Amino acid sequence: KQEVTQIPAALSVPEGENLVLNCSFTDSAIYNLQWFRQDPGKGLTSLLLIQSSQREQTSGRLNASLDKSSGRSTLYIAASQPGDSATYLCAVKLVFGKGTKLTVNP
Amino acid sequence: DAGVIQSPRHEVTEMGQEVTLRCKPISGHDYLFWYRQTMMRGLELLIYFNNNVPIDDSGMPEDRFSAKMPNASFSTLKIQPSEPRDSAVYFCANIKGGKNTEAFFGQGTRLTVV
Repeated sequence: KQEVTQIPAALSVPEGENLVLNCSFTDSAIYNLQWFRQDPGKGLTSLLLIQSSQREQTSGRLNASLDKSSGRSTLYIAASQPGDSATYLCAVKLVFGKGTKLTVNP
Repeated sequence: DAGVIQSPRHEVTEMGQEVTLRCKPISGHDYLFWYRQTMMRGLELLIYFNNNVPIDDSGMPEDRFSAKMPNASFSTLKIQPSEPRDSAVYFCANIKGGKNTEAFFGQGTRLTVV
């Protein structure tokens, strides 16, 4: 059974800092891994989808990497902004981690 | 496309009442998923359909929960009778098909059972 773990559970950083969110999964037989953002009281917005054959995917200030063999993915956010404050979730085979709650302080 | 549409956005009901949550999926997206989100347990997959057929309902917590997809444009999740511990946000999600496609979520229904 796939299990997904996200560390840290919460993170608070000053504006402008670069940061890394971590996601680990137990079953490496995956098709893809997806990172989502969730704002309070809202649904999930897809940020990045990495196929199993890819090592990384980039969108603007976001970069996600995937290491299938070690069961890990990271989401790198460059030059963080207060508007990045949200909960970030990763999903593998539509099994979700519990997310990392990010707060970017002005 | 308007994306995945869920209704109602908020539902408050008394314990013991029947509750029906609705989802209109994205046209042409063959997979539909129902999730429940709570602070304690995070996002839990309840059931998913492929081409309107239920494939895996092992996440449905009890017989009080049932889900249907009578056609490609509509799905329901029903709780009868409802209990306070069912209070959560329920999400509907779609995948177009195949193994490498992106998942899209609705805005969710916040259910409160008092």
